[in-house]
Amino acid sequence: GAVVSQHPSRVICKSGTSVKIECRSLDFQATTMFWYRQFPKKSLMLMATSNEGSKATYEQGVEKDKFLINHASLTLSTLTVTSAHPEDSSFYICSASPGQTPTLYFGEGSWLTVV
Amino acid sequence: QKEVEQNSGPLSVPEGAIASLNCTYSDRGSQSFFWYRQYSGKSPELIMSIYSNGDKEDGRFTAQLNKASQYVSLLIRDSQPSDSATYLCAVNSDNYGQNFVFGPGTRLSVLP
Repeated sequence: GAVVSQHPSRVICKSGTSVKIECRSLDFQATTMFWYRQFPKKSLMLMATSNEGSKATYEQGVEKDKFLINHASLTLSTLTVTSAHPEDSSFYICSASPGQTPTLYFGEGSWLTVV
Repeated sequence: QKEVEQNSGPLSVPEGAIASLNCTYSDRGSQSFFWYRQYSGKSPELIMSIYSNGDKEDGRFTAQLNKASQYVSLLIRDSQPSDSATYLCAVNSDNYGQNFVFGPGTRLSVLP
């Protein structure tokens, strides 16, 4: 299957700082990538759809100024959590589809802890 | 609103038994169906996809699709403790992977 890679896998940051998470499609081009967050023992929650070369589409209730998404190339999307607070601590996961087949592949996920 | 429903579980089965996981979906226009396995603290991993009515087998896994009933299931034969995870049902209504809806997941526990 297609490979999607996320970095970092774990990050700890101080309250008030910003942290960037990268999502790369390693063996295919992805015009669209998706960002999710997941709290322990809870369901995946779609945060936003990242579109290469244009603005991301955010789900209702997700603050676009807090969760900045940039999709500057066909293989890279980034999620920046700005002015992080402890309640932003969560598991963030990206996904992408090769497009030729309607199959979604996930990155390894990034654990964010805000202290 | 498009919905995918699953029993949250936990579903407990003894080692060696068949585990049966079920999923229903609301959008009759759905075209492709997927099962993902998610271990605790890890991201989802694709285990099966199915596109047409009937059964599809891959090793110990069998996916079953009934579009008339808007129902998709996953059978795991000879269940192993390593199969203990949350299983997510996902439904897509286009041909390009752009319109996925995930169920809440069923937690499976295989008891040694």
